[in-house]
Amino acid sequence: QTVVTQEPSLTVSPGGTVTLTCASSTGAVTSGYYPNWFQQKPGQAPRTLIYSTTNKHSWTPARFSGSLLGGKAALTLSGVQPEDEAEYYCLLYYGPTWVFGGGTKLTVL
Amino acid sequence: EVQMVESGGGLVQPGGSLRLSCSASGFIFSGYSMHWVRQAPGKGLEYVASISSNGENTYYSDSVKDRFTISRDNAKNTLFLQMSSLRAEDTAVHYCVAQGRLGSFGDYWGQGTLVTVSS
Repeated sequence: QTVVTQEPSLTVSPGGTVTLTCASSTGAVTSGYYPNWFQQKPGQAPRTLIYSTTNKHSWTPARFSGSLLGGKAALTLSGVQPEDEAEYYCLLYYGPTWVFGGGTKLTVL
Repeated sequence: EVQMVESGGGLVQPGGSLRLSCSASGFIFSGYSMHWVRQAPGKGLEYVASISSNGENTYYSDSVKDRFTISRDNAKNTLFLQMSSLRAEDTAVHYCVAQGRLGSFGDYWGQGTLVTVSS
């Protein structure tokens, strides 16, 4: 069974920078896994921030960026805002299905 | 304005069946692959199933394979999830999700409908 692993929790100070990662039990994550990143706040549906590793939607704030880093997919927040406190999920493609990571709870403190 | 509204959730006994619907508007539904994603109370997101834009191809997670069926009616802009042999672990908010381009899983998300499996 394929497992996608994220940091369970991270803490960052307002204005700081933080990187969340997403690893695959099958090996290095590449662009062929089409990494997606989602943000979910309590009581709300998820919303997509990043798709296909680096691409942003029109609603994605500029401070969010996606990349591949050391064999993992990564989401970097630069200049973190208090409203960025949320759960973040990555998603990888294992054709033809997808697997979510367990999520990272980001605290802005 | 894009809208995706799920319905059909509710309380069902173990072993029972339920049919979820997702009514879409504001985008060309027939051009999008569609997915169901669920989230158990206090837990993370779980991929459930996918269907191609023309409905010819369907895919399922191992946890629901042979119990759930995803389908769509492009004439009515509606996505369905027929759930049978329901178990307590199927209790979750179920979201419909629209994918409009390669690699972009969730261009649009619904607000979800809660399915509770309990006796």
